[in-house]
Amino acid sequence: SQQGEEDPQALSIQEGENATMNCSYKTSINNLQWYRQNSGRGLVHLILIRSNEREKHSGRLRVTLDTSKKSSSLLITASRAADTASYFCATVLVQGAQKLVFGQGTRLTINP
Amino acid sequence: NAGVTQTPKFQVLKTGQSMTLQCAQDMNHEYMSWYRQDPGMGLRLIHYSVGAGITDQGEVPNGYNVSRSTTEDFPLRLLSAAPSQTSVYFCASRSGQGWNEQYFGPGTRLTVT
Repeated sequence: SQQGEEDPQALSIQEGENATMNCSYKTSINNLQWYRQNSGRGLVHLILIRSNEREKHSGRLRVTLDTSKKSSSLLITASRAADTASYFCATVLVQGAQKLVFGQGTRLTINP
Repeated sequence: NAGVTQTPKFQVLKTGQSMTLQCAQDMNHEYMSWYRQDPGMGLRLIHYSVGAGITDQGEVPNGYNVSRSTTEDFPLRLLSAAPSQTSVYFCASRSGQGWNEQYFGPGTRLTVT
């Protein structure tokens, strides 16, 4: 079964709005990572947040982590058409630390 | 750097045929892995390697073999293709020093008829 579960599965917003995607996981993690996948392409790493961190920023991206709730969120501010993609969270488990376990992804569509 | 490269980009096989998906990286990364991506399933780990000569199974290893004779290459072999192996396959690598980002190849789209 998947360790990470993204919510929502699909999100459609207008250009300029903020987009928020959530990820929940089941077991203790070392860190959590977010990746973007454009249609027909490989995955690109966006941001990594460690289990002892609560928030990280990178440009228009903001990631939060709540280990007590076993959840993370990815916020994209001032969205652009080029942000249209699928977004995946991936967790590095404390047990079996060599593996990166992916969720099912959120399909984000930015309408011009 | 070319990063992570995969060949072929597309492949159609008949049931029972065998083939090897190639993966290479030029970043001197110790850790390499293979994932398959199916609609609505996210990415699932097939096999991974923490260095040359060392491989281990992931979440869905059945029907696939791997080897790691060099740091650069990590081929994935399908011994007897089945329709259930129709998927998009991604190879990834990362540095073994701590937990860093993974770099993904562009993928191989495989169809088994």
